[in-house]
Amino acid sequence: GENVEQHPSTLSVQEGDSAVIKCTYSDSASNYFPWYKQELGKGPQLIIDIRSNVGEKKDQRIAVTLNKTAKHFSLHITETQPEDSAVYFCAASGYSSASKIIFGSGTRLSIRP
Amino acid sequence: NAGVTQTPKFQVLKTGQSMTLQCAQDMNHEYMSWYRQDPGMGLRLIHYSVGAGITDQGEVPNGYNVSRSTTEDFPLRLLSAAPSQTSVYFCASSYLGQGKADTQYFGPGTRLTVL
Repeated sequence: GENVEQHPSTLSVQEGDSAVIKCTYSDSASNYFPWYKQELGKGPQLIIDIRSNVGEKKDQRIAVTLNKTAKHFSLHITETQPEDSAVYFCAASGYSSASKIIFGSGTRLSIRP
Repeated sequence: NAGVTQTPKFQVLKTGQSMTLQCAQDMNHEYMSWYRQDPGMGLRLIHYSVGAGITDQGEVPNGYNVSRSTTEDFPLRLLSAAPSQTSVYFCASSYLGQGKADTQYFGPGTRLTVL
């Protein structure tokens, strides 16, 4: 089955700098890669997603890149702000088991003022 | 729309007790799922359902049962609680686009402690 690894587990960046979180997946047939943000005491919320027919997607300060050959995808946050502090999860959905969405272990992002 | 609702928010059980975690959604989503969240281990899929009457196992199904009698509800049952089931449980739902799960909407979670 699908396995998703996420790095780093914790990340601290200066406000205004960029943050990058990386994930790798095992199922070469996976074709859907969402990213979720979880604030303290709440459930995760989708912030951006990408499908396998696209190499990059941007939404304001957030971008996701996908390298299908290497089976990895990354989240990029530019001009970080205090409200970006949260836990971020990547996930992957395999074509062969399209209804299973498997999550990475999460990255705790802290923005230093 | 209330979205995805979960009850209770907190629960303490003794080893061996049984209970049901409730999950409901009012978005007419075909797909519903249960995850548990433990420190350092992210969200692990317990069970999921692609429609009423259809359920399947996720990554960590042992010790949990589910059923899906209606589109709206997807309860998670612990038949004999164990301390290893102490966790935060999240329910999620989404549309199925061409048979594939899409953006998942998560509930607020249930924090369960088993003594």
